[in-house]
Amino acid sequence: DAGVIQSPRHEVTEMGQEVTLRCKPISGHNSLFWYRQTMMRGLELLIYFNNNVPIDDSGMPEDRFSAKMPNASFSTLKIQPSEPRDSAVYFCASSLGGAGAQSPLHFGNGTRLTVT
Amino acid sequence: GESVGLHLPTLSVQEGDNSIINCAYSNSASDYFIWYKQESGKGPQFIIDIRSNMDKRQGQRVTVLLNKTVKHLSLQIAATQPGDSAVYFCAEKLGAGNKLVFGAGTILRVKS
Repeated sequence: DAGVIQSPRHEVTEMGQEVTLRCKPISGHNSLFWYRQTMMRGLELLIYFNNNVPIDDSGMPEDRFSAKMPNASFSTLKIQPSEPRDSAVYFCASSLGGAGAQSPLHFGNGTRLTVT
Repeated sequence: GESVGLHLPTLSVQEGDNSIINCAYSNSASDYFIWYKQESGKGPQFIIDIRSNMDKRQGQRVTVLLNKTVKHLSLQIAATQPGDSAVYFCAEKLGAGNKLVFGAGTILRVKS
């Protein structure tokens, strides 16, 4: 059965360029999460959506980062303009249930972003 | 300057032995806890979860123990195998909202 699908798996770009990361959650899941993983800070929640609506974006580093979820089966995380300190692995995860739900998150295999 | 990363604790065990990975969580109001396994180049993989109204839950070869008094969570792996080598994360969720907060992780190395 298909899990969370992320693309691309790897992205190398130059500073100042726009980067778009994509995610397809597990069918039927109504919550979607974007996490960032670095050696310095571990796994950090950037933003999460419930029923396609952004609920908590307090983890988004700054205005250069934006996320959208136009429908239940697709989400994007965009960085514009990108900077070297954005280099990290970005994970998308999905789960069943809304606020207060006790169900596990299922993660994709991530996008490794390198900004030179 | 030189960057300093998280210094993850490492647990080395002999194949066939039992492993115990510990985690101290931060919020006494957290009511749901999950253990994840992450292998190189992959996303975190769900292992087992436990609700705060329980103190023990067993799965296949794994057991999670929850001690709310001291805010401590542990993952026990029976008969550890080389395929268990990975980074293990505990995660906690508060009742309100849907936010899952991860610990720093523990590296498990299994020696054959």
